[in-house]
Amino acid sequence: GAVVSQHPSRVICKSGTSVKIECRSLDFQATTMFWYRQFPKQSLMLMATSNEGSKATYEQGVEKDKFLINHASLTLSTLTVTSAHPEDSSFYICSARSPGQEYSNQPQHFGDGTRLSIL
Amino acid sequence: GIQVEQSPPDLILQEGANSTLRCNFSDSVNNLQWFHQNPWGQLINLFYIPSGTKQNGRLSATTVATERYSLLYISSSQTTDSGVYFCAVVRGSTLGRLYFGRGTQLTVWP
Repeated sequence: GAVVSQHPSRVICKSGTSVKIECRSLDFQATTMFWYRQFPKQSLMLMATSNEGSKATYEQGVEKDKFLINHASLTLSTLTVTSAHPEDSSFYICSARSPGQEYSNQPQHFGDGTRLSIL
Repeated sequence: GIQVEQSPPDLILQEGANSTLRCNFSDSVNNLQWFHQNPWGQLINLFYIPSGTKQNGRLSATTVATERYSLLYISSSQTTDSGVYFCAVVRGSTLGRLYFGRGTQLTVWP
C-alpha cells in the first residue's frame, strides 16, 4: 500500500532555531501533499496544501513566512519552521493522496508525524 | 467549510465490549475516511468509505451518504484499540483536502 515517510519523528531545539521537516511518498508520486498541526487533545488542523512545482496554499491565519513549504519533487515536500519559538511547539503531520484521476476520491495516507519541542 | 461532528467525545469500555462511533457531516462529500490515532500519534487508515459498508476483522464501517453520516463499529474491543478515532471527509472541489471531526477518545480497560 501507499507509504508516507516523515522525518524527523522528534525534534527538541532552542528558541530561534529553524527546523526542517521532510515528508516523502515512498512508493507513489504525489502532486499534492498536506501539512497539519495538532495540539494536545485536539483534532488535526490543516496548515497548508503543498503543490509540486508551485507555491503552497496556506490556510487563513497561518503565517507563510513562519512556515515555509517547498514541494520540489513529486515525492518530497518540506516544512520549515523558521525562527521557532515555544508557541510553535506542536505535533506536525503530513499526508499525501494516492494518485488517481478523481483527486478527491482517493484515500489519503499520513506520515507518522513530528513532535516539535522548542525550549 | 463543511462541519464534521463525532460522538461520543469519550468512550470507556471493558475489554470484550462492543461499541459504535458516529460521524455526522453537514454537506455532501466525495470521500470519507476513518482513522485511529494511537498513543504515539500515528494515524492509521481504518477505512476509506464514501458509501456502503466495509469490514476488516473486528472493525466495520457504514456510510449512508444520502443521510450524511457514518458509523464505525468495534466488536470485542481490546486494550490495543485505545486511542482517538477520527472521521474525516473530502468535498468535491477541494483537491482532496480532509476536514476532520474532533475525534472520539476510546479507552479500553483490561
